[in-house]
Amino acid sequence: NAGVMQNPRHLVRRRGQEARLRCSPMKGHSHVYWYRQLPEEGLKFMVYLQKENIIDESGMPKERFSAEFPKEGPSILRIQQVVRGDSAAYFCASSPRPATSYNEQFFGPGTRLTVL
Amino acid sequence: KQEVTQIPAALSVPEGENLVLNCSFTDSAIYNLQWFRQDPGKGLTSLLLIQSSQREQTSGRLNASLDKSSGRSTLYIAASQPGDSATYLCAGHRDDKIIFGKGTRLHILP
Repeated sequence: NAGVMQNPRHLVRRRGQEARLRCSPMKGHSHVYWYRQLPEEGLKFMVYLQKENIIDESGMPKERFSAEFPKEGPSILRIQQVVRGDSAAYFCASSPRPATSYNEQFFGPGTRLTVL
Repeated sequence: KQEVTQIPAALSVPEGENLVLNCSFTDSAIYNLQWFRQDPGKGLTSLLLIQSSQREQTSGRLNASLDKSSGRSTLYIAASQPGDSATYLCAGHRDDKIIFGKGTRLHILP
């Protein structure tokens, strides 16, 4: 049973380009979470999605960032017009059930985004 | 405002010693507490998850405790080994998200 998969593992973009990060949850998991780890910072929650629905986007920057989790295919975190401050590691996690009092999230290996 | 705080930020100890990593949290809405390990440039490995109704969890040389009344958790590592060198993250579960501390960078000296 493969774990959470993220690709690409490393992504380099120039300022102003778009970055697309993909996350395939564990088999049977329909709940996906995205976190961002800035250099020398802890991981910060960005967004929680269920299939075709955004449940909680309280951690998403107001502009340039969007996320989706379509009925078929991986979840996508999209960053438009990237800036140097977007350089970070982006982690995806999945869970088999909704966020409840026992919510173990399984983390992927992360995508390291570098903006030149 | 840092909701989950880890002390110390970095720690070096000789191989074979027992050690304790500390975590404190200010949000009473945090219910479960989880410890992760992160190696440089790598993802997260879950070590121990303590549910709100529990006080501690053990796995091999690792023992984690949780005191919700004081907002504290500790991770105890017995008989440390060079392979234990990594960053250890404390994380509290609140609603649908996990709140992470900045981590303690542990270096075990051979």
